[in-house]
Amino acid sequence: NAGVMQNPRHLVRRRGQEARLRCSPMKGHSHVYWYRQLPEEGLKFMVYLQKENIIDESGMPKERFSAEFPKEGPSILRIQQVVRGDSAAYFCASSPRTGGPNEQFFGPGTRLTVL
Amino acid sequence: KNQVEQSPQSLIILEGKNCTLQCNYTVSPFSNLRWYKQDTGRGPVSLTIMTFSENTKSNGRYTATLDADTKQSSLHITASQLSDSASYICVVDGNNRLAFGKGNQVVVIP
Repeated sequence: NAGVMQNPRHLVRRRGQEARLRCSPMKGHSHVYWYRQLPEEGLKFMVYLQKENIIDESGMPKERFSAEFPKEGPSILRIQQVVRGDSAAYFCASSPRTGGPNEQFFGPGTRLTVL
Repeated sequence: KNQVEQSPQSLIILEGKNCTLQCNYTVSPFSNLRWYKQDTGRGPVSLTIMTFSENTKSNGRYTATLDADTKQSSLHITASQLSDSASYICVVDGNNRLAFGKGNQVVVIP
């Protein structure tokens, strides 16, 4: 059973370009979470999605950031017109259900560098 | 102010020695507390999950404690190995929203 997969593992973009980060949850998991980790900082929640639904996006910046989890295919975190401050590690986690101590399994992360 | 505070920020220990990492939190409501291990360049991996009613849980050489009254947790590493070098992250779950500490950076030296 493959774990959570993220790609690309490393992404370099110039200011103003778009970044697309992909996350494939573990088999059987229908809940996806995105987190951002800045250097020397803890992970910060961004968005929580189920298939075709955004459940909680309270951690997402109001502009330039969007996320989706379509019925088929991976979850996508999209950052438009990237700026240097977007440079960070972006982690995706998946879980099978909500309720109880629902464990989240993390992917290896995508390290975004904005030049 | 961060809702999850960890100490010490970093420590160096000799291989074979024990160490204890501390976590204080103010998250409310509280559902459960988790400890993760994050190797450099990797995603966090779960070590333990404790609910309100649990005050200790072990996973091999890792033992976590929880005092929900004082809102404190600790992670004890016994007989450390070089592979224990990593960041240990305390995570508090409040109604399915996770609050992360910045981590305890542990370096084990031979």
